[in-house]
Amino acid sequence: EAGVVQSPRYKIIEKKQPVAFWCNPISGHNTLYWYLQNLGQGPELLIRYENEEAVDDSQLPKDRFSAERLKGVDSTLKIQPAELGDSAVYLCASSPQGVGELFFGEGSRLTVL
Amino acid sequence: GENVEQHPSTLSVQEGDSAVIKCTYSDSASNYFPWYKQELGKGPQLIIDIRSNVGEKKDQRIAVTLNKTAKHFSLHITETQPEDSAVYFCAAIPLGTYKYIFGTGTRLKVLA
Repeated sequence: EAGVVQSPRYKIIEKKQPVAFWCNPISGHNTLYWYLQNLGQGPELLIRYENEEAVDDSQLPKDRFSAERLKGVDSTLKIQPAELGDSAVYLCASSPQGVGELFFGEGSRLTVL
Repeated sequence: GENVEQHPSTLSVQEGDSAVIKCTYSDSASNYFPWYKQELGKGPQLIIDIRSNVGEKKDQRIAVTLNKTAKHFSLHITETQPEDSAVYFCAAIPLGTYKYIFGTGTRLKVLA
């Protein structure tokens, strides 16, 4: 069974540029999460989807971050414009319905110069 | 707000020794407590979890204990091996939510 796939794995951009990350969850997983992981820290939730609906985006900085999950499968996370403080790893995770194991992708490491 | 404290931040043990990592949570409504292992350049991976209706769970060399009264839970790794070296995260999830509150992580080094 294929795991959660994220791309790109690494991205280096200059500040004020836009960037987008893509996630393909495990087939059949209704719940999709985007997490932010700063160096030496645990993951912090940005947004959670149930199918195509964003049910928790309270931690998403909406002035520069946006996300979508069209057709309830793949998802993209966009930052525009990027700031120096956005340098981090962006993790996507999926899970079947209910509280339980999160299946994480390998993450997209963003460096903003 | 909800908070999970994790200690120690780094831990070095000799191969074959035991390792213990402790977490304390603030929300008494938490009822699900997973532990994740994150290797360099990889995403976190679940290694064991426990729900609030049990006090202990074991899976081969790994065990988790839960003390709901004191609001803390611990990860125990016995007979450590070099491949156990990684960063470990605990998390607590309050009942009725999907809010995974992660600890700050423990970097475990197993010395051969």
